[in-house]
Amino acid sequence: KAGVTQTPRYLIKTRGQQVTLSCSPISGHRSVSWYQQTPGQGLQFLFEYFSETQRNKGNFPGRFSGRQFSNSRSEMNVSTLELGDSALYLCASSFLGNFIGLASPLHFGNGTRLTVT
Amino acid sequence: KNEVEQSPQNLTAQEGEFITINCSYSVGISALHWLQQHPGGGIVSLFMLSSGKKKHGRLIATINIQEKHSSLHITASHPRDSAVYICAVRHMDSNYQLIWGAGTKLIIKP
Repeated sequence: KAGVTQTPRYLIKTRGQQVTLSCSPISGHRSVSWYQQTPGQGLQFLFEYFSETQRNKGNFPGRFSGRQFSNSRSEMNVSTLELGDSALYLCASSFLGNFIGLASPLHFGNGTRLTVT
Repeated sequence: KNEVEQSPQNLTAQEGEFITINCSYSVGISALHWLQQHPGGGIVSLFMLSSGKKKHGRLIATINIQEKHSSLHITASHPRDSAVYICAVRHMDSNYQLIWGAGTKLIIKP
């Protein structure tokens, strides 16, 4: 089974631009969550999607948005990029069945490293 | 106070030592996850627990639901165990949002 695929792996953008990152979950997984990781920092939760609905959102400004498609693939978008948005963006998928509370293991992609200059 | 607290924040030990990393949480949970991140590497799920104890090779994870506490143990530690270990819980009263600990950086010296 293919793992979680994130594209692109690396991205360089300039301040003020916008960026879209993609995450393809493991086949059959319906939950996708997104995280920001900066050097020396832990994982900062961005949002979680389940069956095309945003279930939870972290404390990030409205410039950060996301969506999930019917095939469970997810995208996150950052508009009006700032230097502080430079980070590794990770997504994770899990199979949660019909009930998001039913626990299942998390599978992470290798991330997209975004550099804003 | 953070809802998920890990201790210690940093841990350095000699090869062969028995390692314990702790995770305490203050919310109701449906599950607790332990994950590992090697320097420059991806994040790998080690365990998912809702009760009791699980073992995989030299790794053992336990959870005490009443005390809201989990431990990750590594027996016969090896330098390749050097990584950041992260605890995360699914918060039942917050739409099952994943709440993350800050991680424990483990260094095993040969």
